[in-house]
Amino acid sequence: KQEVTQIPAALSVPEGENLVLNCSFTDSAIYNLQWFRQDPGKGLTSLLLIQSSQREQTSGRLNASLDKSSGRSTLYIAASQPGDSATYLCAVRGTGNQFYFGTGTSLTVIP
Amino acid sequence: EAQVTQNPRYLITVTGKKLTVTCSQNMNHEYMSWYRQDPGLGLRQIYYSMNVEVTDKGDVPEGYKVSRKEKRNFPLILESPSPNQTSLYFCASSLGVRQGPLHFGNGTRLTVT
Repeated sequence: KQEVTQIPAALSVPEGENLVLNCSFTDSAIYNLQWFRQDPGKGLTSLLLIQSSQREQTSGRLNASLDKSSGRSTLYIAASQPGDSATYLCAVRGTGNQFYFGTGTSLTVIP
Repeated sequence: EAQVTQNPRYLITVTGKKLTVTCSQNMNHEYMSWYRQDPGLGLRQIYYSMNVEVTDKGDVPEGYKVSRKEKRNFPLILESPSPNQTSLYFCASSLGVRQGPLHFGNGTRLTVT
């Protein structure tokens, strides 16, 4: 069964810093990987979707990479802002049509 | 506006009293799914549906039922809720089985006493 791990569980950085969030998965047979943001009491907002054939995707200050063979993805956030404070989750879409989520990294950006 | 709508947002009920959480999407998506989110366990998939009348179990289906009679609706039914089903529930949809990002509803916080 697919297992998805996100380390660290929590991260605190000063405003303006560049940072990297990590996601690892045990089964490389995936269709895609998606990064989400979750604000307290809210649903999940999709940030980036990377197909299994792609290496990276970019949206504004966000860049996500995928190394399927090693079972790793990273989310790079450039020039962090207090508004980036949230929990970030990654999810892999397995070949069995199910989704598997990590437990998230709680990010705090200090003004 | 393209969205996934869940109702209710909050629900408190007692053990054994049947309840339904509704989910509707207006994006003509084929794939819909339900998740529960618990501290330390993350999101776990309960059921999913690849199209009308096609549903399948996720990782934690025990105690839940679903139906997909129309493309836009995918209700989650708890026939006899128990306290261990107290959780935050999310419905999500995507264009196809392997297409497009997942779009989430705002969640339903369920408490079973």
